[in-house]
Amino acid sequence: AQSVTQPDIHITVSEGASLELRCNYSYGATPYLFWYVQSPGQGLQLLLKYFSGDTLVQGIKGFEAEFKRSQSSFNLRKPSVHWSDAAEYFCAVGARSGYSTLTFGKGTMLLVSP
Amino acid sequence: EAQVTQNPRYLITVTGKKLTVTCSQNMNHEYMSWYRQDPGLGLRQIYYSMNVEVTDKGDVPEGYKVSRKEKRNFPLILESPSPNQTSLYFCASSLRGRNEKLFFGSGTQLSVL
Repeated sequence: AQSVTQPDIHITVSEGASLELRCNYSYGATPYLFWYVQSPGQGLQLLLKYFSGDTLVQGIKGFEAEFKRSQSSFNLRKPSVHWSDAAEYFCAVGARSGYSTLTFGKGTMLLVSP
Repeated sequence: EAQVTQNPRYLITVTGKKLTVTCSQNMNHEYMSWYRQDPGLGLRQIYYSMNVEVTDKGDVPEGYKVSRKEKRNFPLILESPSPNQTSLYFCASSLRGRNEKLFFGSGTQLSVL
């Protein structure tokens, strides 16, 4: 079964600074990878996903993520953070075959300071 | 507007009193799923459905039931709720499966006293 680790529970970033949220996964092959964002009181919204091909994936709201097979990582980045980016971010991994569940990480809460 | 609608938004109940949380989507999605979100544990899948009359257990199915009699609806049933089921619940759907973009409802905050 697959698993996901988001090592940082909270991260604080100054507005305008760059951001990197870490995600490591465990899976026997190349999985499907996702980043979702949850604003306070809301459901989750898909930021971006990796299925195959180019390992640098562009998403909505100026986010990007890079799949690194050798490191089993799928880190989320943004060059300049806005106050509206304050939210909780979830990495998720899905198997390419079978009926196993989509597995979410425990989330990283992003705080943006003025 | 394309959306997943959950009701109620908040629910307080007592141990053992059966309850149902409804979920409906208007996007003709085949795949629907229920998650619970607990602090420090992230989202965990309870049940999912690949299509009408096809349901299967997720990671934490104990104490829950689901049904999928119509494509648009996927209710979550707690026949005898217990305090450890106090949680934030999300319904989600996608066109065909878990590896496609999931659309989430706004959540149901359940408290079992």
